[in-house]
Amino acid sequence: AQSVTQLGSHVSVSEGALVLLRCNYSSSVPPYLFWYVQYPNQGLQLLLKYTTGATLVKGINGFEAEFKKSETSFHLTKPSAHMSDAAEYFCAVSAGYGGSQGNLIFGKGTKLSVKP
Amino acid sequence: DGGITQSPKYLFRKEGQNVTLSCEQNLNHDAMYWYRQDPGQGLRLIYYSQIVNDFQKGDIAEGYSVSREKKESFPLTVTSAQKNPTAFYLCASSIGRRTDTQYFGPGTRLTVL
Repeated sequence: AQSVTQLGSHVSVSEGALVLLRCNYSSSVPPYLFWYVQYPNQGLQLLLKYTTGATLVKGINGFEAEFKKSETSFHLTKPSAHMSDAAEYFCAVSAGYGGSQGNLIFGKGTKLSVKP
Repeated sequence: DGGITQSPKYLFRKEGQNVTLSCEQNLNHDAMYWYRQDPGQGLRLIYYSQIVNDFQKGDIAEGYSVSREKKESFPLTVTSAQKNPTAFYLCASSIGRRTDTQYFGPGTRLTVL
């Protein structure tokens, strides 16, 4: 079975500081991993995803994530936070094969605050 | 523009009433999904459909029903059997493979009065 754990329900950083949002996964099959962002009262938007190939994945808005199989992690980073990065971030892993193969299992989310 | 639309954006329901949330996509996606979002709970899967005229229960299907008569449409009915329906509801669609991105609509916020 697949699962996702996001460490820290709230993270606060200063503008210009490094952003690090942690995600660990469990998967019985080769994992495909996703990061989504949600602004208040809106739907989710894909930031980046890992399927195969390069383990360092670059996404939109300057975010990137590194797939580390040995650590079962897919942490999201951004070198310098902007006020506009304040949002909730969700990590997700693809379900297994079969009839639910397109399904995603989401973590509980991390709310990022950016202080001026 | 291709995308997913949900309506209404806000919905108020009296106890004992059924309500239907609309979800339409023009992305030509085979798969569609309904999620419920509560603060601190992440997204929980209610129902999903991989193909027209077929759908499957997700993790929290009790008190909900769906239909998939057209590829573009996947309406969700919140029935009176759902004891705590106040939540934010999100619809998504994808091609349906493990590597595929799910695209989300803007959501419907349902409040029970």
